[in-house]
Amino acid sequence: DGGITQSPKYLFRKEGQNVTLSCEQNLNHDAMYWYRQDPGQGLRLIYYSQIVNDFQKGDIAEGYSVSREKKESFPLTVTSAQKNPTAFYLCASSIMGLAGGRMFFGPGTRLTVL
Amino acid sequence: GESVGLHLPTLSVQEGDNSIINCAYSNSASDYFIWYKQESGKGPQFIIDIRSNMDKRQGQRVTVLLNKTVKHLSLQIAATQPGDSAVYFCSTGNQFYFGTGTSLTVIP
Repeated sequence: DGGITQSPKYLFRKEGQNVTLSCEQNLNHDAMYWYRQDPGQGLRLIYYSQIVNDFQKGDIAEGYSVSREKKESFPLTVTSAQKNPTAFYLCASSIMGLAGGRMFFGPGTRLTVL
Repeated sequence: GESVGLHLPTLSVQEGDNSIINCAYSNSASDYFIWYKQESGKGPQFIIDIRSNMDKRQGQRVTVLLNKTVKHLSLQIAATQPGDSAVYFCSTGNQFYFGTGTSLTVIP
C-alpha cells in the first residue's frame, strides 16, 4: 500500500528535551511538509521541502528543525527552544510543491509536554 | 496575503439531511481547489477537487460548486450520515494556507 506514515502516534516529552517525530512516504513525492494543529485551529506550516537536501521555513519554524537526507523521509525535531510544543503534528506530501496540488497527510503525532 | 476561510465554524445537521459547507477564498488567480475531511485524532483526507474551468463536480454523495465571480466554494453532502461527522477544510492547493475548518456534527 502506498501512503505516508508517522511515528509515534503519541509522544510525551519532559520540558527541556528534544524529540524527533518520524515521517516516511512511499508515494515517490518530491515535496514534504510539516504542520502543527492546535485544538480548534487550522493547520500552520512549520517546514517544507521540495527536494532532497533542501528545505524551507514555514510560518512557525522557530524551535523546530528538519532534515531531508532521503526522498522518503522528513523527520521533525522539536527542540527545547519551542516554548509551547504540545500540539498535534501532521506530516504531508505532494507531487507538486507550493504551486499547488493535492496533499496526502499522515495520521499525525500527538505531542504532549509534561 | 492569500487566505481561505470557512463561513461557519460549526454546523449541525440531522442524519439523512443534506449538508452545505461554504468557503471563501481571496486569490482570484487560484485555479485549483480541494476539500479535505479530518476525523477526530486523524490526518485530513482528500474528498474532492475542482479546477477553475469547472463550476461543479460530483463525487459519491458529495458535490463541489465553484463560483469564481464571488470567489466562493461550497461542499454539499447528500443524505448526511454519522460517519460524515468531521472537520472539513477547503484549500486553494496552496500549501501555506489552510483555514480553521467547519466542524460538522450529524445528529442521529
